[in-house]
Formats: sequence, C-alpha cells, structure tokens
Amino acid sequence: AQSVTQLDSHVSVSEGTPVLLRCNYSSSYSPSLFWYVQHPNKGLQLLLKYTSAATLVKGINGFEAEFKKSETSFHLTKPSAHMSDAAEYFCVVSESGGSNYKLTFGKGTLLTVNP
Amino acid sequence: ETGVTQSPTHLIKTRGQQVTLRCSSQSGHNTVSWYQQALGQGPQFIFQYYREEENGRGNFPPRFSGLQFPNYSSELNVNALELDDSALYLCASSLGGAGGDYGYTFGSGTRLTVV
Repeated sequence: AQSVTQLDSHVSVSEGTPVLLRCNYSSSYSPSLFWYVQHPNKGLQLLLKYTSAATLVKGINGFEAEFKKSETSFHLTKPSAHMSDAAEYFCVVSESGGSNYKLTFGKGTLLTVNP
Repeated sequence: ETGVTQSPTHLIKTRGQQVTLRCSSQSGHNTVSWYQQALGQGPQFIFQYYREEENGRGNFPPRFSGLQFPNYSSELNVNALELDDSALYLCASSLGGAGGDYGYTFGSGTRLTVV
C-alpha cells in the first residue's frame, strides 16, 4: 500500500525567503512522486514529478524537489518565495509497475507568504 | 492542445437525488480518473477508466459509478446523494493505463453541494 505524509499542515514565510515543504512517502513498488499546487477555487496544477530518473527534480516557477530513497522523503523547496506562491500544496505518490495506478495525496500544506 | 474540461462547475442537489458529472479528457489521453476532494482535505481516488473499462477503484460505495466513452470523455454518476457527498470532484486524464510516468492533467473540478 502507498501513503504520503505531509509533515506541516501550514507553513508561513516572508516574501523573498526560502520555502521548504516536507513530504515522506511509503510505497511497496518503485514510486512515482509528484507535487501539485492548488490555488483557491482552482484545479490542481503539476509542479514537478519524479519517475526514477534524476533524483533532483526541477519544476515550474523555480520549485525543485529531491528524492531521497534512504529517507523516503520528497521535500519541495524554492530559494525565494513570491506572493503568488501562496496556495495549497499536495505531495502525491503513484506506484509504477504495480496493478494500482491511483494517485495517493497527502493532506496538503497551506503556504502563506507574508509581504 | 486542449486541457481537461469539467461540467458543470457548480451544482446543488437535494439528499437522495442522483447526479451526473462530466469530463472531457485532454487531447491524446485515453485514461480518466475521478477524485473527490472534501473541504480541507486532499483528493481521494474514486476510480479510473482506461479504454472504456474500469481499471481500479478506491474505497467508495457502488452508488458511485462511471462511464468512459469511445472519445475518452467520461461521466461520474452518484446515486442516492448524501450530505457527505458534498465536495469538489476532480477529473484527471493521462496517457496509458498507468499515468504515473506520463503525468496527469487535472480539470478545475465540479463543486457539488448536497442539501
């Protein structure tokens, strides 16, 4: 079975400071991992994905994440927060190679960016 | 390249009624998944359709059913609506039955309110 734990339900940063959103996963198969962002009253937008290639993944809008198998982590980072980054972020796991192709979402981390 | 479109955007139904939600997948995608996102929660997998057949189901009762059409568009039907069915329903399309390697494209969702 696959699962995702987002370690912080709410992260607050000042504009221009680094962002760190933490995610740990559990998977029986080789996982694919994703970060999605959801702005208020909007659908989900893919930020980046890891699918067993390079462990450091670069995404859109300056975000990146590092896959660490030994720590079962996939933390999302950004060097400098922008006001437009304020949104809900979801860490997601999908098991490749198994018969279960569903996405399993974490509970989300609300990012607040203060001026 | 068109994205995923869902209709309607908002819907209010009475407890016990039936509802049909619709989804047009992204051009070239042959797999559609449906997710339920309750307020303040991450999306939860309902089921997936691949080439018009159900290809996996989450922990939802049989009154949640679906269809996929030859053009890969899809419907989600919910019978005997309950108050707890109030949520944002998200449709995601992908290429291939897995989707994990190819990524999912989400629609903006249908907000269902059951009163």
